[in-house]
This record gives sequence, structure tokens and C-alpha cells, in this order.
Amino acid sequence: LAKTTQPISMDSYEGQEVNITCSHNNIATNDYITWYQQFPSQGPRFIIQGYKTKVTNEVASLFIPADRKSSTLSLPRVSLSDTAVYYCLVGDPYSSASKIIFGSGTRLSIRP
Amino acid sequence: EADIYQTPRYLVIGTGKKITLECSQTMGHDKMYWYQQDPGMELHLIHYSYGVNSTEKGDLSSESTVSRIRTEHFPLTLESARPSHTSQYLCASQGNGYEKLFFGSGTQLSVL
Repeated sequence: LAKTTQPISMDSYEGQEVNITCSHNNIATNDYITWYQQFPSQGPRFIIQGYKTKVTNEVASLFIPADRKSSTLSLPRVSLSDTAVYYCLVGDPYSSASKIIFGSGTRLSIRP
Repeated sequence: EADIYQTPRYLVIGTGKKITLECSQTMGHDKMYWYQQDPGMELHLIHYSYGVNSTEKGDLSSESTVSRIRTEHFPLTLESARPSHTSQYLCASQGNGYEKLFFGSGTQLSVL
């Protein structure tokens, strides 16, 4: 399983764009990158998943450089409700034996 | 969106009691997981299952046990609860491949 490294915490202000970077130097060829969001006392919730280049949905964008050794989750115009822990996970979608391991995540705090 | 249910939501019990935390999903997912999480801390994988009659221990040693007799049901049992078992327990399911995880609402267990 590819290990991931993220900043422990980040602070920003409402209306700003927030970028959270995740390092995964030993990512395997078949691995995908997935991000989850977790609010206190709740289970994590899927945000976005990608393999290479850029993926965008209604919530966020995911940027993956050509070497795939890192990825950046971009949250446009954050609000107070985006205060949460964000997890970056890496895994093989075609492996029936791929168990899901969460790292420490990034604790994002949004201020007024 | 998620059709995965955990009961009870909160449980306060005395030391030495046997308890079972229930987790059910109606999505027909083969993969199911149990995570343990203390406030402000990481999610730790304690058990997982790839299908009926398949169960494995996770990365965090746990005194709990699980069973998977039916696809939709993945209960977790503590034979003799202790105060060190006080934590939040989160159940999740996943479809084939590396699809997103769906989490239940969690069970907050307090052992006195």
C-alpha cells in the first residue's frame, strides 16, 4: 500500500481557495487517489477520485502531476462549513484485496 | 445517499458486559470495514471482510470479533467490555474495485 503524507493542519478564511497537497512517492501504476472529508462525530465522506491530470466535480478539483507522486485537492471559495479533516488515500481499484487505510489527514480550519 | 446503518448510535455499559454493534447495508456491497476512532485522532482499521465467510483483522489490534454470515450484515462483538474500549466505532461498505466508501453514522461506545 502506498503511504501518504499530508500537512497536519491548515488555516484559511471564508471565500479563499484552499489547496491541500498529499505526497505519495511510492504510488503504484494501478493506484488511484481518493480524498475524503470528515466532520466531528461523523464517518468520512467521499469527495473526489482521480488517476492522472485533473478531475473536477461540484465540490472540488483534484490535480495530479505527470509523475503522480503527489496530488492537490483544491476547494474553491471555502466557507465555514468546510472546516473538517481531509484524508488522502491511495489504492488499486482492481485489487479485490485492497483494504482501505486512513492516514492522519489534514485538519482544515476556516475563519470568518 | 448511503444505505448503511449502525445501531445503536450511543451505548453506555458497565465493565465486563458482552455487546454487539450492528452494521447493515442494502447496497449489496461485498467489502465491509470496521474502524475505531477516538476524538480528534486517526481512524484505525480493526476488521474487514471481502464477502460472506471472509473476515480479516485490520492494522490495529482489537479484542473485538466480527462475523459475516450474510452479505448485508457485519456485526462487531466485544465479549467483555472494558473502559479501554471506549471509542467511536464506524462501519463502512464498498462496492467492487476501489469505489468510494460509504460510512454509517457510527456507534459511540462508553464503558464505565
